[in-house]
Amino acid sequence: NAGVTQTPKFQVLKTGQSMTLQCAQDMNHNSMYWYRQDPGMGLRLIYYSASEGTTDKGEVPNGYNVSRLNKREFSLRLESAAPSQTSVYFCASSVGSNQPQHFGDGTRLSIL
Amino acid sequence: SQQGEEDPQALSIQEGENATMNCSYKTSINNLQWYRQNSGRGLVHLILIRSNEREKHSGRLRVTLDTSKKSSSLLITASRAADTASYFCATDRVDTGRRALTFGSGTRLQVQP
Repeated sequence: NAGVTQTPKFQVLKTGQSMTLQCAQDMNHNSMYWYRQDPGMGLRLIYYSASEGTTDKGEVPNGYNVSRLNKREFSLRLESAAPSQTSVYFCASSVGSNQPQHFGDGTRLSIL
Repeated sequence: SQQGEEDPQALSIQEGENATMNCSYKTSINNLQWYRQNSGRGLVHLILIRSNEREKHSGRLRVTLDTSKKSSSLLITASRAADTASYFCATDRVDTGRRALTFGSGTRLQVQP
């Protein structure tokens, strides 16, 4: 039972580079989420997809884009990375909106 | 802005003692959830309590919800070293129209063996 799988686990980028964080879930969940977690803080919602074919902005969407590729996969793209985007990024999924969420183990992203 | 604010920010206890963490929130909710995060890992769901419920139990966990005070508490009884983690509350807010949870900033629990 893989649950929620995030790739890569670690990444270092230079300012201005772009990259895509991948997330896949094998639980047939309808809803998927992207969060960032900064040191000593809780999670802040970047984007979410309540169901396949829909995406919506969260609290901190600036500088990010997302794609709900299919029911299993939800990717997060940084078009032009900035040092302020250095963080740990978590993907999560749930059966339905506001139901218990299952999390991946995160991608640790450093932008120099 | 953070909807859920946990209190205390950090808590250190001895193994066998009980640990109580509190969460306050500002707006009406449909449900409130508690999660645990071990160092370097993702969050793990512990328990969900609906707005019309006052108390819920799961093993050594007891959660209460007081909607009139807009607060919840998580009690871990007979704590173990393995309970060392950060604990977060998350609310399903009515006001945002957003179909997603809002997480607090967490309580770091250290259980000394």
